Amino acid sequence: RKEVEQDPGPFNVPEGATVAFNCTYSNSASQSFFWYRQDCRKEPKLLMSVYSSGNEDGRFTAQLNRASQYISLLIRDSKLSDSATYLCVVSPYNTDKLIFGTGTRLQVFP
Amino acid sequence: DGGITQSPKYLFRKEGQNVTLSCEQNLNHDAMYWYRQDPGQGLRLIYYSQIVNDFQKGDIAEGYSVSREKKESFPLTVTSAQKNPTAFYLCASSTASGRAFYEQYFGPGTRLTVT
Repeated sequence: RKEVEQDPGPFNVPEGATVAFNCTYSNSASQSFFWYRQDCRKEPKLLMSVYSSGNEDGRFTAQLNRASQYISLLIRDSKLSDSATYLCVVSPYNTDKLIFGTGTRLQVFP
Repeated sequence: DGGITQSPKYLFRKEGQNVTLSCEQNLNHDAMYWYRQDPGQGLRLIYYSQIVNDFQKGDIAEGYSVSREKKESFPLTVTSAQKNPTAFYLCASSTASGRAFYEQYFGPGTRLTVT
């Protein structure tokens, strides 16, 4: 089983739609969680950290479910510029590494 | 402007040659990392360093070498022993080392093609 698993997609949604991605992780002792965004042939950029109580940044909401070992990302009112690959990233407890998922591709169409 | 720079953006080499990829940061970050990304795959950790003059192997260190003589710099050498060197190489840095949260920030990457 992969340490971090994501549905590769693509998720094709119209502008204005709400879309959600889930990501599961295998190490129950994982402590830090992030969502990164990666545009085609570019470097990953930090989108948001994910906190235990859930957190929101504008149109983006991240949730953590420790019991079921998954994190989610909700994007409301999708924009064309949201088209990218979204990487789920987990840091196991007491390590200095990040484990990256393979990403979920989102395509927003007009 | 603070950030991470990688050079060159594109690099072409013949098989059997060693090549060194540059990574510089002026963010005053302690930790630096090297990853490679292949099409359809996640980022895989090659080497990382939490402090000057110290570094650790990641998950796929074979065929690579690094040095960390300065806080700002973490060059990666892809040696001829690396069987599949063609990939997108990403350098990252982080403020935290040895603590829970590791928000890493990435450079623009170097695309290496070996023929």
